[in-house]
Amino acid sequence: GAGVSQSPSNKVTEKGKDVELRCDPISGHTALYWYRQRLGQGLEFLIYFQGNSAPDKSGLPSDRFSAERTGESVSTLTIQRTQQEDSAVYLCASSIQTGRTDTQYFGPGTRLTVL
Amino acid sequence: LAKTTQPISMDSYEGQEVNITCSHNNIATNDYITWYQQFPSQGPRFIIQGYKTKVTNEVASLFIPADRKSSTLSLPRVSLSDTAVYYCLVGGPTGTASKLTFGTGTRLQVTL
Repeated sequence: GAGVSQSPSNKVTEKGKDVELRCDPISGHTALYWYRQRLGQGLEFLIYFQGNSAPDKSGLPSDRFSAERTGESVSTLTIQRTQQEDSAVYLCASSIQTGRTDTQYFGPGTRLTVL
Repeated sequence: LAKTTQPISMDSYEGQEVNITCSHNNIATNDYITWYQQFPSQGPRFIIQGYKTKVTNEVASLFIPADRKSSTLSLPRVSLSDTAVYYCLVGGPTGTASKLTFGTGTRLQVTL
């Protein structure tokens, strides 16, 4: 079946502009995660959705970052007034809630470059 | 918050067994240990998960001592295609995602 998809695959923007990153999880997966991965670095947790609600937003680095999820499917990560330090690959993952640490299925990521 | 520590990099020859250890001294009672593999320009991929003792699947084994403060991913007879970054993840049941912590990753380089 279809995996997690993300769009766009690459995004180049100018400093100060807003960007929207999209994630389409695997159908039926109630949990959705966003991560940030800077070049050569590990994964940095940003936010987690259970259904349409976000129990934990503590990983969002600043108030310029926001995310929403509608219909227990698509999620959008929005970065306002982008800065050069926002340049990274943004990864989305989804999982089925099983009551234990769920296997996360990752998308290919969106590579964001802020000039 | 369970912090994990892994070696930054490892080198191996094709056909050898590779063991990558992850330290997680502050692991909580409900936490599981999961390992992921990441190739360049791709998202991480699940390899194996365990809670205690030993778990084995078709690609790897996971060894967890009784105190659960560390875990070892064992890859038997690695090939060139196993060259990747391996991440150790420690976390609790769904609903505690804020405690999901990926390690810094171990970059495994396999050569002939």
